[in-house]
Amino acid sequence: ETGVTQTPRHLVMGMTNKKSLKCEQHLGHNAMYWYKQSAKKPLELMFVYSLEERVENNSVPSRFSPECPNSSHLFLHLHTLQPEDSALYLCASSLPPPQETQYFGPGTRLLVL
Amino acid sequence: TQLLEQSPQFLSIQEGENLTVYCNSSSVFSSLQWYRQEPGEGPVLLVTVVTGGEVKKLKRLTFQFGDARKDSSLHITAAQPGDTGLYLCAPTSTGGFKTIFGAGTRLFVKA
Repeated sequence: ETGVTQTPRHLVMGMTNKKSLKCEQHLGHNAMYWYKQSAKKPLELMFVYSLEERVENNSVPSRFSPECPNSSHLFLHLHTLQPEDSALYLCASSLPPPQETQYFGPGTRLLVL
Repeated sequence: TQLLEQSPQFLSIQEGENLTVYCNSSSVFSSLQWYRQEPGEGPVLLVTVVTGGEVKKLKRLTFQFGDARKDSSLHITAAQPGDTGLYLCAPTSTGGFKTIFGAGTRLFVKA
């Protein structure tokens, strides 16, 4: 069972495009996360929001811009991306610590041409 | 800095074989999660282990948390093709938000 949905599931964009990834959770959580997963690399945490406040930003380039309008929705706005940004972008949600088990969405497979 | 290592990185076995994968760290954790990720999907939680020495079973999967809560293992009995996937361990931080995932063990079970 997954209560976290992500759209779109697949996205192809040029380096000059602007696009947004959307994540929605139906689990009543109030912490949400963006991860990047590249081939043969561990999951890389990008951003963490708790109670709609950004609490962690792991030195992510400014061409990635997160937005959390409420505890159920999380966006990742993309602009002027590079080919090396091609990856699977995963959203997750959880209750705040100490209940930290994260539940993941299916991801958005992004290809930057 | 927490160091988390999963081994082996890749494992290809025949259906019916048994296997064990490991998650090791130099740090002590309050608990640890195991996830399985299938191609093109997000990780799905399998189990959380909390107590040192704890053993949990999920059908053919047996999870153990080390006595010192620095390591964990996952044993699969009579593996099936449906077990194919990337197995990730993720320790729970002791105050902040969990941010560390292992690189994973990629398992392929051949029919």
